[in-house]
Amino acid sequence: GQQVMQIPQYQHVQEGEDFTTYCNSSTTLSNIQWYKQRPGGHPVFLIQLVKSGEVKKQKRLTFQFGEAKKNSSLHITATQTTDVGTYFCAGRGGAQKLVFGQGTRLTINP
Amino acid sequence: DAGVIQSPRHEVTEMGQEVTLRCKPISGHDYLFWYRQTMMRGLELLIYFNNNVPIDDSGMPEDRFSAKMPNASFSTLKIQPSEPRDSAVYFCASSPALYEQYFGPGTRLTVT
Repeated sequence: GQQVMQIPQYQHVQEGEDFTTYCNSSTTLSNIQWYKQRPGGHPVFLIQLVKSGEVKKQKRLTFQFGEAKKNSSLHITATQTTDVGTYFCAGRGGAQKLVFGQGTRLTINP
Repeated sequence: DAGVIQSPRHEVTEMGQEVTLRCKPISGHDYLFWYRQTMMRGLELLIYFNNNVPIDDSGMPEDRFSAKMPNASFSTLKIQPSEPRDSAVYFCASSPALYEQYFGPGTRLTVT
């Protein structure tokens, strides 16, 4: 079945450094979503990407969808302590359901 | 809007007992999802409903798990009998379409 792999599993940075997490699917995706989960919290929707090669920005966050629609990335510029949490990608393939990656846990040293 | 409501927030039970988790989706959302989150397996989709009808239950681990959605504003996930390996955080999420999902706060289940 469809698998979504996410790397790295953990990332620790100094405040102000950049951060990137990568998502790869075993199959072509119709769209991909990104969620953020704060420690002890629940996943919160960030964005959805649909088009091949699409790039979207939300303030310091940049999201990309690969040309082949099998990979995606989330880049955070100049991290802040409020960025702490686990970032999940979730891909939707031929079936309707979303398949979540394992997540990248981001910790930040202030 | 109150968001997705789940109860209880925490549940501690003994192995062999029946556990019922409850969810009230956001009004007007046609889709409801049940997820389980553990450190080992991450976030797993157990089952989802569209207009109260179960669409895909392929993620339900075994027959001990069952889910119902008797109406548009209520769903339950039942585990009978519960086992220690069922310990996890169970999330309910709802969606107005197959777009973003709104997650509830989760139920932390501990089976001893």
